[in-house]
Amino acid sequence: GEDVEQSLFLSVREGDSSVINCTYTDSSSTYLYWYKQEPGAGLQLLTYIFSNMDMKQDQRLTVLLNKKDKHLSLRIADTQTGDSAIYFCAVGGGATNKLIFGTGTLLAVQP
Amino acid sequence: DTEVTQTPKHLVMGMTNKKSLKCEQHMGHRAMYWYKQKAKKPPELMFVYSYEKLSINESVPSRFSPECPNSSLLNLHLHALQPEDSALYLCASTPGGGRPGNEQFFGPGTRLTVL
Repeated sequence: GEDVEQSLFLSVREGDSSVINCTYTDSSSTYLYWYKQEPGAGLQLLTYIFSNMDMKQDQRLTVLLNKKDKHLSLRIADTQTGDSAIYFCAVGGGATNKLIFGTGTLLAVQP
Repeated sequence: DTEVTQTPKHLVMGMTNKKSLKCEQHMGHRAMYWYKQKAKKPPELMFVYSYEKLSINESVPSRFSPECPNSSLLNLHLHALQPEDSALYLCASTPGGGRPGNEQFFGPGTRLTVL
């Protein structure tokens, strides 16, 4: 089955850029998503990218996709303390858009 | 109304109890999902309903019984649970019947503790 991996932890200083990485195994995944989860809360969709795209930018967020290496990244510019959360990548496709989530990266933003 | 609501927020139950989790959305979405999330782990898909019919059951034990009474409501009936079933249970919905690329909107979850 699909395997989606992320590094567990990332610490950055406020104002710096953060880059969260994700690798996946199933090359047939058609949609790739980034979700944010704050403590005790549900998941909030941040952005997503189609598999036929290389890059997508949305305000402070930039998603890069390297299909050859099956590597997805999320860059957050000018990281703020409010960005501290767990970030999950997820890959999806198929008739019911079943999502497979990555292991999650805890982003800690130091003031 | 652009949100998914879940009740209760917290639930504590014994292993012999029967309880139900409720999920509701009024966005006209026709696919609804139950996920289970253990602490510090990613959500794991349990069930998918598409147009009120069960389309995916990820080999979930029968002590979890989903029900979709109408297009806005999704229930998860719980019976004879084990302590290892303690987790955050997340509900999600998506436009249409779950077409790829459609955003899954998540509720805030029900924190379940089984004693």
